[in-house]
Amino acid sequence: AQSVTQLDSQVPVFEEAPVELRCNYSSSVSVYLFWYVQYPNQGLQLLLKYLSGSTLVKGINGFEAEFNKSQTSFHLRKPSVHISDTAEYFCAVKNNQGGKLIFGQGTELSVKP
Amino acid sequence: EAGVAQSPRYKIIEKRQSVAFWCNPISGHATLYWYQQILGQGPKLLIQFQNNGVVDDSQLPKDRFSAERLKGVDSTLKIQPAKLEDSAVYLCASSLPGNTEAFFGQGTRLTVV
Repeated sequence: AQSVTQLDSQVPVFEEAPVELRCNYSSSVSVYLFWYVQYPNQGLQLLLKYLSGSTLVKGINGFEAEFNKSQTSFHLRKPSVHISDTAEYFCAVKNNQGGKLIFGQGTELSVKP
Repeated sequence: EAGVAQSPRYKIIEKRQSVAFWCNPISGHATLYWYQQILGQGPKLLIQFQNNGVVDDSQLPKDRFSAERLKGVDSTLKIQPAKLEDSAVYLCASSLPGNTEAFFGQGTRLTVV
């Protein structure tokens, strides 16, 4: 079975500052990793995914994440955030045998002017 | 391409009543998921279908929750009888076979009073 831990429940940051949202996972088999964003009263939208290949993946809205197998991490980063990035961010993991898509508890990113 | 459709968007019921949610996945998506998202938490997988067969329902409270996916397309999730702790957003998602990302509907917000 796999699990996901998002290390920060809330991250306040000022506009145009860099941000990192941390995600660690555990699994006994190889996994696929995802970051989703959820705006208020909406469903989840995929930001980016790691399936294989390059460990640095780029997504929408200027976000990127780096897969680190030795540290079992998949941290999300953005060099300069905007007010519109204020939302809930979820890290998710799925094993490579067609298993369940498991989500972390979420990190609330709050961007202040 | 149409997205995942869910209805209703909002529902308020009294405890011990029954309720049903409907989901129409993206055309051609064989995998369908139902998640429960309690306020402040990450989505929790309730049930996963592959076509019209159940892949995983280990976290579905089967004494009160049921789900079906007739003909491998639309799906309904039912709660009978509802409890106060069932208040949550119920998210439906679908994906192509294999390990691609899941696409989410906007969810149904259930309030049990």
